[in-house]
Order: sequence, then C-alpha cells, then structure tokens
Amino acid sequence: GESVGLHLPTLSVQEGDNSIINCAYSNSASDYFIWYKQESGKGPQFIIDIRSNMDKRQGQRVTVLLNKTVKHLSLQIAATQPGDSAVYFCAEGNQFYFGTGTSLTVIP
Amino acid sequence: DSGVTQTPKHLITATGQRVTLRCSPRSGDLSVYWYQQSLDQGLQFLIQYYNGEERAKGNILERFSAQQFPDLHSELNLSSLELGDSALYFCASSVQPGLAEKDTQYFGPGTRLTVL
Repeated sequence: GESVGLHLPTLSVQEGDNSIINCAYSNSASDYFIWYKQESGKGPQFIIDIRSNMDKRQGQRVTVLLNKTVKHLSLQIAATQPGDSAVYFCAEGNQFYFGTGTSLTVIP
Repeated sequence: DSGVTQTPKHLITATGQRVTLRCSPRSGDLSVYWYQQSLDQGLQFLIQYYNGEERAKGNILERFSAQQFPDLHSELNLSSLELGDSALYFCASSVQPGLAEKDTQYFGPGTRLTVL
C-alpha cells in the first residue's frame, strides 16, 4: 500500500549545526507533501509544504527538497536550536499518509 | 495555539465503554479531520468531514463513528472500547476540503484516551 516513511527514528545534532531529516514515499502519483513538527504533549504543527512542480522550497531556517525521481524528500533545518527538539513528520497531502516521525534532539 | 480546540484533554475509561471526543475547528474552517496516534506510531488518518458531509475515510474501525454538526464542530464516537484503542486522538481543520486543493491542516492539542 501507499506509505511515507522517515529514514531514521532518532537524530541528535549539536546546537548551531544544520539538521537533515529524510523521508521516502511510495506513491509516484503523490504531488503534495507537508512537514510537521510535534513537540511533546502538543499536536503537530505545520512547518512547510511543497508541491511536485517544485524541487525546493525555503522557509525561515527550513528548506524542503523534493526528488521525484527517487521519491525522496528532506527537511533541512539551519542553525538548529534547542527549541527545534521535537518529532518531525513528513506527510503525503493527498491521502493524509503520515510517516512515523523522526525525533530530533538538539544537544546544547 | 492553532485555534483548534479539543475536549476533553484526558479521558480514562474501561473496556467495553463508549466515549465521545469533541473538536471545534478554527474559525472559518469548513473541513475537520480525525487522526489516531498510538505509542511509537505515526498519525493514522481516520476520517474527514467537510461542511457537515463525510468527505474521506481512512483506517477507521466500524466501532468508531464521527459527525460534523451545522456549527461545524465535530465529534468522534468510540464504542466497545478495547485496550488497543488507547491513544492520542487529534482533530485538525482546514479551510478547503483538502483533497484537490492541497490545503494546510491545523491540529488541535489532542485528547489522550486511556482504556483500562
């Protein structure tokens, strides 16, 4: 069946370094993806989205890259801060499939 | 604060019981989505309503049902509860139906259900 999945369940980075969270999807017809951040005890929060007619989209300190050839997307967080510690989900926006999440821990 | 509210925040009940979870979408949002998040699992899409009508169905059990009322709030009813139903239940809302229009969903804080 269709799915999205993150490559690593956990990721630890030093404060100030860049973080890269990767995600793979299976449905080649998927054309809309979203990244969410979920802090402990809270609901997922929208970070950034990308449509399949784009390869890259930038937000504030975040960049999403989409590689349709290998069905892969990534979330890059620049100058990671302690407040970035959370679980990050990639989601396929058409059928509401969410990955299991990558838990990002920022080491001060 | 996303503007989506959910009540109650916590709910503890016994197996075989029935509970109702409530969600109020953001002002102006017509679409409501329900998700289940079990321990160590991702979000599982259950069901979507748009302006009172069921719009999409995901992995929702027959023991579960939902509805969206004229004032656009939604309720998720869980019956014949089992231990495995213990999870976080999230509601999200968006302005548009969210299928063709690629609409952003805003999530509520969730209801933590514990079935003993």
